[in-house]
Amino acid sequence: RKEVEQDPGPFNVPEGATVAFNCTYSNSASQSFFWYRQDCRKEPKLLMSVYSSGNEDGRFTAQLNRASQYISLLIRDSKLSDSATYLCVVRSNTGNQFYFGTGTSLTVIP
Amino acid sequence: DVKVTQSSRYLVKRTGEKVFLECVQDMDHENMFWYRQDPGLGLRLIYFSYDVKMKEKGDIPEGYSVSREKKERFSLILESASTNQTSMYLCASNSRSGYETQYFGPGTRLLVL
Repeated sequence: RKEVEQDPGPFNVPEGATVAFNCTYSNSASQSFFWYRQDCRKEPKLLMSVYSSGNEDGRFTAQLNRASQYISLLIRDSKLSDSATYLCVVRSNTGNQFYFGTGTSLTVIP
Repeated sequence: DVKVTQSSRYLVKRTGEKVFLECVQDMDHENMFWYRQDPGLGLRLIYFSYDVKMKEKGDIPEGYSVSREKKERFSLILESASTNQTSMYLCASNSRSGYETQYFGPGTRLLVL
């Protein structure tokens, strides 16, 4: 079983739509959680960390459910510039390794 | 601002050549990593290092070696490049302590002919 699993999509949504991505992880002792964004032919960049209490950054909301080992990312009022691949990332309980989902592709359509 | 740099953005090599990919970070991070990324397969860990002179195999170390002589520098070596090593290579680093995330370099696109 993969450490981190996420739906690869693609998600094609109109501008202004709300879209949600989900991710599950297998190690219940995992330490910390992140969403990264990767543009075509570029490196992954941190979008936001995910905290147990949930956290919001503008149009982006991340949630963590430790009981279900589940992480989500909600994007409200989608913009064309949100088109990218979103990677779910889990840091191991030893702190030395990071596990990446294969990414979910989002295209926002005018 | 964390900075991770990689020696080349694009490389073209021939089968059998020895290839060196260099990565440097300026944040005094203990941990450094080499990944390759291929369409449909996501990021796969090749090697990582959590201290100078230390190295650990990742998920796909075959055909690769690494060197970490200084804390800020982590090199990936392809001893004898093969066509199936054509890929995007990404270096990353992070602090060992706390819950900090990982920072990536811009990547090296390697084509082996």
